Amino acid sequence: DVKVTQSSRYLVKRTGEKVFLECVQDMDHENMFWYRQDPGLGLRLIYFSYDVKMKEKGDIPEGYSVSREKKERFSLILESASTNQTSMYLCASIPGTSNEQFFGPGTRLTVL
Amino acid sequence: KQEVTQIPAALSVPEGENLVLNCSFTDSAIYNLQWFRQDPGKGLTSLLLIQSSQREQTSGRLNASLDKSSGRSTLYIAASQPGDSATYLCAVRDSDRGSTLGRLYFGRGTQLTVWP
Repeated sequence: DVKVTQSSRYLVKRTGEKVFLECVQDMDHENMFWYRQDPGLGLRLIYFSYDVKMKEKGDIPEGYSVSREKKERFSLILESASTNQTSMYLCASIPGTSNEQFFGPGTRLTVL
Repeated sequence: KQEVTQIPAALSVPEGENLVLNCSFTDSAIYNLQWFRQDPGKGLTSLLLIQSSQREQTSGRLNASLDKSSGRSTLYIAASQPGDSATYLCAVRDSDRGSTLGRLYFGRGTQLTVWP
């Protein structure tokens, strides 16, 4: 089975901290995505990557950066966390043999 | 920009009913459409994927149809059960950038409650 894992289910950070959210997939997928999900706003795409060291901005990249040094790992970085970044963060990937997107379990981030 | 709308936003039904969830999208130039299920506080689970050339897909008690020209998809759930209670999301992938790089646009979901 395809598996997408995220480093933490719940995370609490303070304003101004640097935050790393990790996503790992175990099926050699080329394309990986970071979304955030908020009540009333649905899922919004932050960044995506279609290859190692490649990245593209989504709809709401401000305040975030990403890193993809290895194919299986896609990291989302909050350089200086703010309270408006409190959200559910979801990672997803697409295997090369299909167009079906698979999601990780999500990280609920709270910034105090 | 693609916009995806799901109706109704919430639905509450007794166990055993057959039900239909609706999804509409504004740009018919899609590559595929995917239905997901999300349980509270969890990630998304893929239910069905329909390619733009297909009319429907079935998996167990679930059947999804696609009418690309009218910008509509429906998810049909037969003989609903309490375990079906979840939020169901529809997402379309645009065709601008080919098969794997096209963007996914999500609806805001239908929150389904099936009571015993």
